[in-house]
Amino acid sequence: NAGVTQTPKFQVLKTGQSMTLQCAQDMNHEYMSWYRQDPGMGLRLIHYSVGAGITDQGEVPNGYNVSRSTTEDFPLRLLSAAPSQTSVYFCASRPLGQGEDQPQHFGDGTRLSIL
Amino acid sequence: GNSVTQMEGPVTLSEEAFLTINCTYTATGYPSLFWYVQYPGEGLQLLLKATKADDKGSNKGFEATYRKETTSFHLEKGSVQVSDSAVYFCALINHASGGSYIPTFGRGTSLIVHP
Repeated sequence: NAGVTQTPKFQVLKTGQSMTLQCAQDMNHEYMSWYRQDPGMGLRLIHYSVGAGITDQGEVPNGYNVSRSTTEDFPLRLLSAAPSQTSVYFCASRPLGQGEDQPQHFGDGTRLSIL
Repeated sequence: GNSVTQMEGPVTLSEEAFLTINCTYTATGYPSLFWYVQYPGEGLQLLLKATKADDKGSNKGFEATYRKETTSFHLEKGSVQVSDSAVYFCALINHASGGSYIPTFGRGTSLIVHP
């Protein structure tokens, strides 16, 4: 019963490097999303998707790209890392079409440091 | 639009003290309301939920009642333990508004329980 799996758990990058944060869920959830969590800022939505081939921007999308080629996977790409992107990143998913009482399921996070 | 306001933390208590974390919301219609808990180094996990007015959600000794008249969903526990130390997030999902599949989160309240 894996739920939402994020890899890697920790990563250190240099400014200007690129990388992809992976997220996979095995619950056949239509909705997937990426958040960043910074001290005093709560959770901020970066990008989200309501199904394969459909993505949209959240509150803080600049500097990040996403794609959704399958229901299971929702990778987050940093094209040119900046120190301001140092944060903890969470992927979450939830089912749609089953009522609004369905909660989100979160991964354990990726802790990213940009030097 | 939708919004969730939580009391600022940290909330610091001694073991066996009574806990209240305030949460109020702004939304049209009748949103579903949630409390999530985030233990150190982990992702968020659902603690409890309520889907209509006067519903009481409960789990692990925590309770929260959906109060439509005061637009509140305060989290309470009669006797906290050191293991309850975590960050608590209040959230809503509102199908009455556009983008209704996107949850709205409060900023989180840190709880520290001392032995």
